[in-house]
Amino acid sequence: AQTVTQSQPEMSVQEAETVTLSCTYDTSESDYYLFWYKQPPSRQMILVIRQEAYKQQNATENRFSVNFQKAAKSFSLKISDSQLGDAAMYFCAYRSIISNFGNEKLTFGTGTRLTIIP
Amino acid sequence: GAVVSQHPSRVICKSGTSVKIECRSLDFQATTMFWYRQFPKQSLMLMATSNEGSKATYEQGVEKDKFLINHASLTLSTLTVTSAHPEDSSFYICSALPRDTQYFGPGTRLTVL
Repeated sequence: AQTVTQSQPEMSVQEAETVTLSCTYDTSESDYYLFWYKQPPSRQMILVIRQEAYKQQNATENRFSVNFQKAAKSFSLKISDSQLGDAAMYFCAYRSIISNFGNEKLTFGTGTRLTIIP
Repeated sequence: GAVVSQHPSRVICKSGTSVKIECRSLDFQATTMFWYRQFPKQSLMLMATSNEGSKATYEQGVEKDKFLINHASLTLSTLTVTSAHPEDSSFYICSALPRDTQYFGPGTRLTVL
């Protein structure tokens, strides 16, 4: 079974600065998807970024980028130019690439609470 | 695109009553939907996977007779909490899978008195 570990329960960063959230995972599969979701105080889960394991290029979405190290099974999220609206709980998640019934579910980490300091 | 709605957003009920929560995919068809439960300051816990036209698959430890799931169409899945008790009070979240990525509804806060 796959596991996802987020070792930082809480992080804080000054507004406009850069912060990196860590995520490691364990799997025996060679192809899979990795995701970062954010959950602000409204509790709506919002997709931040997604990475396909077979792609060597790190995914980027505006101020959000990942450092995907497949051999190390590491998938960190970098937030540049942090804004007050980035304050949220961030969850790393893993999904098998196989689309058979039962393999589509996500395995979540325990989350990292990010605080933005004005 | 990929918008998922949930209704109601909040519900308060008396112990022993049943509560139905709806999850709708608004701009896509979803053969697969998921139901999660989230306790305060914790991660999401998958309860069940719902597939259109077939029985839901429940995770270990989830009572299927208590949490009834119906996925009757490609845009609607419902979760019914039967004979609710205070310990069922929680935040319930659904998600839908248009392709490879899950998109989440805004959640339903259930309070059982």
